Amino acid sequence: DSGVTQTPKHLITATGQRVTLRCSPRSGDLSVYWYQQSLDQGLQFLIQYYNGEERAKGNILERFSAQQFPDLHSELNLSSLELGDSALYFCASSVAGGANTGELFFGEGSRLTVL
Amino acid sequence: QQQVKQSPQSLIVQKGGISIINCAYENTAFDYFPWYQQFPGKGPALLIAIRPDVSEKKEGRFTISFNKSAKQFSLHIMDSQPGDSATYFCAASKTGSARQLTFGSGTQLTVLP
Repeated sequence: DSGVTQTPKHLITATGQRVTLRCSPRSGDLSVYWYQQSLDQGLQFLIQYYNGEERAKGNILERFSAQQFPDLHSELNLSSLELGDSALYFCASSVAGGANTGELFFGEGSRLTVL
Repeated sequence: QQQVKQSPQSLIVQKGGISIINCAYENTAFDYFPWYQQFPGKGPALLIAIRPDVSEKKEGRFTISFNKSAKQFSLHIMDSQPGDSATYFCAASKTGSARQLTFGSGTQLTVLP
């Protein structure tokens, strides 16, 4: 158990809809990362938040947005969903401060299916 | 642009054999190279990592070999076990963004009993 909690584990929705994925990082971790894992694109970095502020953006579509709340949990919002958005969405967190080891702790993911 | 290329896509090894997975990177600014292991239904978990100031790092049955001039690194799993059957991802990052990992495409390893 990595200590990172993601909900829901599975989600099925229709094209055009909007969904919200939730992540609770490990206790004490200030950074949250979102990754998308699909068969054709592998693991793609979407966005990073650190202590409530956006730190870095990767290959995140404009239809997607995220935020990190004062209690450090994060939400990834996916709107105007398309079939191609079907994927596993992982949240990861990292140690706050200290030496930069680079280790990310991943949750078990939220599997999104768009029909 | 795929910055980390991983091969092979899949690998089948007999129990007790050596599993070798290779990765090549393009960005010379990368200075941290971890390997992640992912079991079905689980998220990736850090297995072992190396920085370019060393050419090899060993942790138990797992060894990373690193060739800076060739911009390549590889994972060797000695005495492979059925419990090692998983998907392995190499990754890379650079100082200042060390946790923004660029992942390889993954290798599905199957160790036959």
